[in-house]
Amino acid sequence: GQQLNQSPQSMFIQEGEDVSMNCTSSSIFNTWLWYKQDPGEGPVLLIALYKAGELTSNGRLTAQFGITRKDSFLNISASIPSDVGIYFCAGSVTSGTYKYIFGTGTRLKVLA
Amino acid sequence: NAGVMQNPRHLVRRRGQEARLRCSPMKGHSHVYWYRQLPEEGLKFMVYLQKENIIDESGMPKERFSAEFPKEGPSILRIQQVVRGDSAAYFCASSTGDYTVGYTFGSGTRLTVV
Repeated sequence: GQQLNQSPQSMFIQEGEDVSMNCTSSSIFNTWLWYKQDPGEGPVLLIALYKAGELTSNGRLTAQFGITRKDSFLNISASIPSDVGIYFCAGSVTSGTYKYIFGTGTRLKVLA
Repeated sequence: NAGVMQNPRHLVRRRGQEARLRCSPMKGHSHVYWYRQLPEEGLKFMVYLQKENIIDESGMPKERFSAEFPKEGPSILRIQQVVRGDSAAYFCASSTGDYTVGYTFGSGTRLTVV
C-alpha cells in the first residue's frame, strides 16, 4: 500500500533555531496536509497544500508542495518551547477525497 | 463553539470485554471519520460515516469492530471482545463534506486493554 515516510523521526533543537522536516511518498499526491499533535490531544491542521510547487505560510510555519508531487516540506522558523509535539504529514492521491494517508510523524523537542 | 467531542478520554477494558467509543461532531458537520493511532505510529483510516449510513469501512478490521452514526446522538465505534492489540488511541474527525480542507479531529479516546 501507499506509504508516507517522514524525516527526521525525532529532533532536539535549541529555542530560536529553525526546523526543517519532510515527507516523501511512493505515489503522486494531489493534496498535502500538515498537522501538529500535542501530547494527549488530537492532531490540529496547520497547513493545507493543493498544487505542485505551492508555498504556504501560517505564522512561523511554511510548507511546500514538492514539484514532483511526491514530497512536501515543513519549516518552522525561530522555534519556541510550545512548538514541541509531533508533526504529521498527510496526503491524498485523489483531489477532494476524504481518505488521507498519514506519515509516522516527526517528534520535535525544543530545548530552552 | 464546541469542537469534536470524544468520550471517554481514557478507557480501560479487560480482554474479552466490549469497548464503546463516542464521538459528537462539530455543530453543522454531518460527516464523521474514525482513525486509529497505534503507539509511535501515524493515524490510519478506519471508517467514514454520514448520518445513518456507512460510506466507507475499508479500514475496519473484519471482525469485532463496528461503527454507527444514528440519526440522533453521537457516532459510536464499538469493539467487541477486545484484545491487547486493540490498545491504541482512537480519533474521530468531522467535516461538512468539503474534503479539501482536511478534518477537525477530537482529542481522542485512549483505549488500554489489560
